[in-house]
Amino acid sequence: AQSVAQPEDQVNVAEGNPLTVKCTYSVSGNPYLFWYVQYPNRGLQFLLKYITGDNLVKGSYGFEAEFNKSQTSFHLKKPSALVSDSALYFCAVRDGNNAGNMLTFGGGTRLMVKP
Amino acid sequence: DTGVSQDPRHKITKRGQNVTFRCDPISEHNRLYWYRQTLGQGPEFLTYFQNEAQLEKSRLLSDRFSAERPKGSFSTLEIQRTEQGDSAMYLCASSMTVSGNTIYFGEGSWLTVV
Repeated sequence: AQSVAQPEDQVNVAEGNPLTVKCTYSVSGNPYLFWYVQYPNRGLQFLLKYITGDNLVKGSYGFEAEFNKSQTSFHLKKPSALVSDSALYFCAVRDGNNAGNMLTFGGGTRLMVKP
Repeated sequence: DTGVSQDPRHKITKRGQNVTFRCDPISEHNRLYWYRQTLGQGPEFLTYFQNEAQLEKSRLLSDRFSAERPKGSFSTLEIQRTEQGDSAMYLCASSMTVSGNTIYFGEGSWLTVV
C-alpha cells in the first residue's frame, strides 16, 4: 500500500517571500514522486517529479522540490512567491517497482499568496 | 501535442439517468487512466488501460461504472443509474509505458447529479 500526507490544508505567504508546501509519503518499493497544481475548475498540471538522481528537482514556473529519503519527504519550494501561484497543490507517489503505475495523491494544500 | 481532451466538461443529470464521458489521450500514449475527484479531496484512482486492455480497477469502481477503450485510443466512462454520491469531477490521464513516465491529466468532466 502507498499513501501521501500533506499536513497543511492551507499555506499563506506574502508575495516575494519563499514558500514551502510539505509532503510526506509511504511506499513499500521505490518511490516515484510528483507534484501537480490545480487551478479552479481545471485539471491537474504537472510541475515536477523525482525518479532517481539528484535529490533537488527543478520544475515548471520556478518550483523545485527536495527528496529526503530518511524523512520520506518531498517538499515543494519556491524562492519567491507570486500572486499567480495561488492554487491547489497535490503531491503524489507511486511505487516504481509496480508495473501498474498507479498514482496515489495527497489531500492537497491550498496556497494563498497575498500581494 | 494537443494534450488530454475530455468531453463534456460539465454534465448535470437527474438521479437514475445514465451518463457517459469521453477521453482522448495524448496520441502516442498507450496508457490511459480514470480518476475521480470530489470537492476538497485529492484525485482517487478508478481504473487504467494499457492499449485496449483494462489492467486494474479500484474497488471504488462499482458495478454501475464501466470503462472501455475499444481500439486502444479514446476511452469512455459510463455511469449507470446515477446517484447523488456520484457527483464529482472525473479526470482522465495518459502516459507512455516507460518507467518513471509522467502522467498527464485532462481538464476533467464535472458531473452533478440532482
